[in-house]
Amino acid sequence: AQSVAQPEDQVNVAEGNPLTVKCTYSVSGNPYLFWYVQYPNRGLQFLLKYITGDNLVKGSYGFEAEFNKSQTSFHLKKPSALVSDSALYFCAVRPRFSGGYNKLIFGAGTRLAVHP
Amino acid sequence: DGGITQSPKYLFRKEGQNVTLSCEQNLNHDAMYWYRQDPGQGLRLIYYSQIVNDFQKGDIAEGYSVSREKKESFPLTVTSAQKNPTAFYLCASSIGVTSTDTQYFGPGTRLTVL
Repeated sequence: AQSVAQPEDQVNVAEGNPLTVKCTYSVSGNPYLFWYVQYPNRGLQFLLKYITGDNLVKGSYGFEAEFNKSQTSFHLKKPSALVSDSALYFCAVRPRFSGGYNKLIFGAGTRLAVHP
Repeated sequence: DGGITQSPKYLFRKEGQNVTLSCEQNLNHDAMYWYRQDPGQGLRLIYYSQIVNDFQKGDIAEGYSVSREKKESFPLTVTSAQKNPTAFYLCASSIGVTSTDTQYFGPGTRLTVL
């Protein structure tokens, strides 16, 4: 079965330190990869996506993600965390062949807590 | 959240009642989606629509119904047949259904069954 794993329920980081939120996937072929962020009682906001090309993708709010095909991973990173980055982060994968519609498979989410 | 509105923000329902959640978008997107979010789980797809007057079941469609009479509107009805409807419901849209199209989300509706 196709799946997305976010192995950490919560990540704690001190403000100013680099952060990494991990995502691995089990999807056949070469899927497209997405990161979204959710603030409390809000919808998901799109951060970035990997389609093809450079393995390092830059997105909104200073976030970037690194695609690693051999490890089937797409980890989200930021060089210097802000308290305002504290939120719930979702990794999502779109299989290249999914019956003709834009199907996204979501991970369970990782809560990022940035401490002052 | 810009461009996609959902109402109401909070909704309370008695057991046995049907309720309808509204989703409107002004992005001129062809495709629209409904997801359900439960604590500790990722989003699960309820229904999707690729074009007006057409919609398809997602992974957890039982107990839900939708319509797509206008391009900008995709209301979701939670029927009394849905056994555990308390959840956070998210509507999304995308330009089309091309594999690289990004889905954009509305602010969500929190439904609580009393």
